[in-house]
Amino acid sequence: AAGVIQSPRHLIKEKRETATLKCYPIPRHDTVYWYQQGPGQDPQFLISFYEKMQSDKGSIPDRFSAQQFSDYHSELNMSSLELGDSALYFCASSLRGSRYEQYFGPGTRLTVT
Amino acid sequence: GQQVMQIPQYQHVQEGEDFTTYCNSSTTLSNIQWYKQRPGGHPVFLIQLVKSGEVKKQKRLTFQFGEAKKNSSLHITATQTTDVGTYFCAGLGSSNTGKLIFGQGTTLQVKP
Repeated sequence: AAGVIQSPRHLIKEKRETATLKCYPIPRHDTVYWYQQGPGQDPQFLISFYEKMQSDKGSIPDRFSAQQFSDYHSELNMSSLELGDSALYFCASSLRGSRYEQYFGPGTRLTVT
Repeated sequence: GQQVMQIPQYQHVQEGEDFTTYCNSSTTLSNIQWYKQRPGGHPVFLIQLVKSGEVKKQKRLTFQFGEAKKNSSLHITATQTTDVGTYFCAGLGSSNTGKLIFGQGTTLQVKP
């Protein structure tokens, strides 16, 4: 079965640079979520989209933005990167009728140096 | 804001012993989900509980949702080395948009 695809899997950036993370949800899933997971931490909700519209917002810094495109893929744009942004970034997708059971992608490991 | 607390943080067991992790929410939950994350992996959906007092089983795993829909537990019978990983409970946020509030997770180590 198709899973959530994320790219790139690993990314190394320097402070103050920008990064773009991509997510391709499971086909026919209508909702995409972004989570940030620091080392030894639980995933923290950043933002979600339902049918290409932002549906909820969590602890996402103003330096970050995201969108969902017409083909349902989503991108998380991160600017003015800080050392503290180093983390695993997961994208998850779900079908609204499934009571939001979420399927996570493999994650992008972002390292800011 | 809405919080989900999970204990214990770590659990080391001998293979064959049982294991339980507990989850408590500061507010009533519409549903609770459980995920497993292997070291270096991503969270994998295990189950969701919706009804008050609901109990669901998956082989050696038993999931319970409290009567007040504010707490939940996961019990593993006769642990195996393949059970190693971090188990997260996650409550559905009050905004009903699918936003999950994760517990801190319980990391299970199983000694063969």
